[in-house]
Amino acid sequence: LAKTTQPISMDSYEGQEVNITCSHNNIATNDYITWYQQFPSQGPRFIIQGYKTKVTNEVASLFIPADRKSSTLSLPRVSLSDTAVYYCLVGKSYSGAGSYQLTFGKGTKLSVIP
Amino acid sequence: DVKVTQSSRYLVKRTGEKVFLECVQDMDHENMFWYRQDPGLGLRLIYFSYDVKMKEKGDIPEGYSVSREKKERFSLILESASTNQTSMYLCASSSSGSYNEQFFGPGTRLTVL
Repeated sequence: LAKTTQPISMDSYEGQEVNITCSHNNIATNDYITWYQQFPSQGPRFIIQGYKTKVTNEVASLFIPADRKSSTLSLPRVSLSDTAVYYCLVGKSYSGAGSYQLTFGKGTKLSVIP
Repeated sequence: DVKVTQSSRYLVKRTGEKVFLECVQDMDHENMFWYRQDPGLGLRLIYFSYDVKMKEKGDIPEGYSVSREKKERFSLILESASTNQTSMYLCASSSSGSYNEQFFGPGTRLTVL
């Protein structure tokens, strides 16, 4: 089971780019890297997922180096509404009996300052 | 818009009571999950189900059971509630092709007195 390590908290000013790095040294060959965002009193929300190199969507970018032992979630020009907890997950992306190995860690609490 | 709904946002029960938490999804997803979330501990998986009537234990199944009689509905049961089961309970679902992209409900905050 791939364990992830990410900073407990980060602060950023509005308008800045924020990069949150997650380390996952024992990632397996067919593991995917997934990031979620959680606002207070809400369930987590899927942000982005990748396997290698770079993935970009309308919300964020995900950078994964060649060795895949870490990944970086990049949030461009954050606003106050990006204040949330961000979770990095590593796991296999398929279904079936006995295959579930996804674990949510404690996440990174991002505080955006005006 | 995809939706996962949970039967209650807030619930207060007494020690020893049997508690049912219901979750319904409208996305025809095969996988459904129950988590609990506690301060400082993150989300921890209680049970998941990958098909009707199929279930597997997660990291902390003790004191809980689940039921999935219909594809859209996944119930979490506390047979005899205890104070250490006071927590936020989150239900999620995902398609068979991806565990990783899960859709979460709003959560139920359960207090056991």
